[in-house]
Amino acid sequence: AQTVTQSQPEMSVQEAETVTLSCTYDTSESNYYLFWYKQPPSRQMILVIRQEAYKQQNATENRFSVNFQKAAKSFSLKISDSQLGDTAMYFCAFMKLANFGNEKLTFGTGTRLTIIP
Amino acid sequence: EAGVAQSPRYKIIEKRQSVAFWCNPISGHATLYWYQQILGQGPKLLIQFQNNGVVDDSQLPKDRFSAERLKGVDSTLKIQPAKLEDSAVYLCASSSDRVAPYGYTFGSGTRLTVV
Repeated sequence: AQTVTQSQPEMSVQEAETVTLSCTYDTSESNYYLFWYKQPPSRQMILVIRQEAYKQQNATENRFSVNFQKAAKSFSLKISDSQLGDTAMYFCAFMKLANFGNEKLTFGTGTRLTIIP
Repeated sequence: EAGVAQSPRYKIIEKRQSVAFWCNPISGHATLYWYQQILGQGPKLLIQFQNNGVVDDSQLPKDRFSAERLKGVDSTLKIQPAKLEDSAVYLCASSSDRVAPYGYTFGSGTRLTVV
């Protein structure tokens, strides 16, 4: 079974600054995907960024980037030039590679991020 | 493309009562999931359907929870009888087998309060 750990329950940062959210995971799988999801008060889970484990290059999506350390089983999210709209819960999630279709997501406990004006 | 629709948005019931949640996935998505998100925790999978068949229900408390997906489209999750610890947000998600693993879309959830 897979486990995902987020050790920072809450974080806050000034607007326009950079913040890094931590995530570690444990798995015996060699092929898998990692995700960061954002959950605003509307409750809908919104995909922020994804990383395929077989890719060594870290994923980047505009102001969001990850630091993927496969050997250390670490997957942190960096938000640059933070904006007020980034205020939300952030969840790290794991999905093992499926032969067909999608597998379930295993989530961490989340980090509540507040951007201060 | 319309998103994953869920109803109701909120529900308050007394313990031992029954409740049902409804989910309409994105058209054409073969896989449908129900997740339970207790306050302060990440979502946890309750049940996964592939078309109208169950793929994984290992975390579903089958003595009180049931779910069905008739005709491989809409799904209903039922709790009977409800307990205080069932207070949570129930999230429905769907995914496309043709766009694995990126075609994963969540609904806005139903917040259940059991008093």
